[in-house]
Amino acid sequence: QVTLKESGPALVKPTQTLTLTCTFSGFSLSTSGLRVSWVRQPPGKALEWLARIEWNDNKLYSTSLKTRLTISKDTSRDQVVLTMTNMDPVDTATYYCARMHPYSNWGQGILVTVSS
Amino acid sequence: DIQMTQSPSTLSASVGDRVTITCRASQSISNSWLAWFQQKPGQAPKLLIYRASSLESGVPSRFSGSESGTEFTLTISSLQPDDFATYYCQHYNLYSPWTFGQGTKVEIK
Repeated sequence: QVTLKESGPALVKPTQTLTLTCTFSGFSLSTSGLRVSWVRQPPGKALEWLARIEWNDNKLYSTSLKTRLTISKDTSRDQVVLTMTNMDPVDTATYYCARMHPYSNWGQGILVTVSS
Repeated sequence: DIQMTQSPSTLSASVGDRVTITCRASQSISNSWLAWFQQKPGQAPKLLIYRASSLESGVPSRFSGSESGTEFTLTISSLQPDDFATYYCQHYNLYSPWTFGQGTKVEIK
């Protein structure tokens, strides 16, 4: 059974750096062809794809956010970490990690609020 | 980046209606790497269709996807009560960043 779970702070202040961890089970990110993404969704708004990391450590980022994002993986711990710098209230959203393409397995999401 | 323009943004329909949602890509999507997701309030998205027209395992056959050039369509042949939700297209070109469409909310008429 594949599961993913996001963890991190529920509240961050403007200008701070957000660090989110996705802990997964049921697969290994060292398996060829697999990839894990981060997706966010502001309250009442659309999904926004942020970044992905692949089995071979290839990394791709949203063009509009790439200067603020860093994604990494720890295969031994079955974790993927996303950092986002210079947080702003408009970054308030539910952040999901997901194994996608192939497959589709999502975490429950974590609501991150940016407020002073 | 490939931009996805989804329409309509909201759709009002009745149970039993045939529903069509369209997604237009700003450029050609190689290998039909286009997916459709369904999302209900408070839930993570659920994959319905991948490779533009392949039905994900366990998804009812009333859902179908098609492709014509840069235009992609999700069709629900006979809308059921469980289908009232928001639908998103997503391109997933394996060599570039991915993007979602803006979403289509299917409401009860």
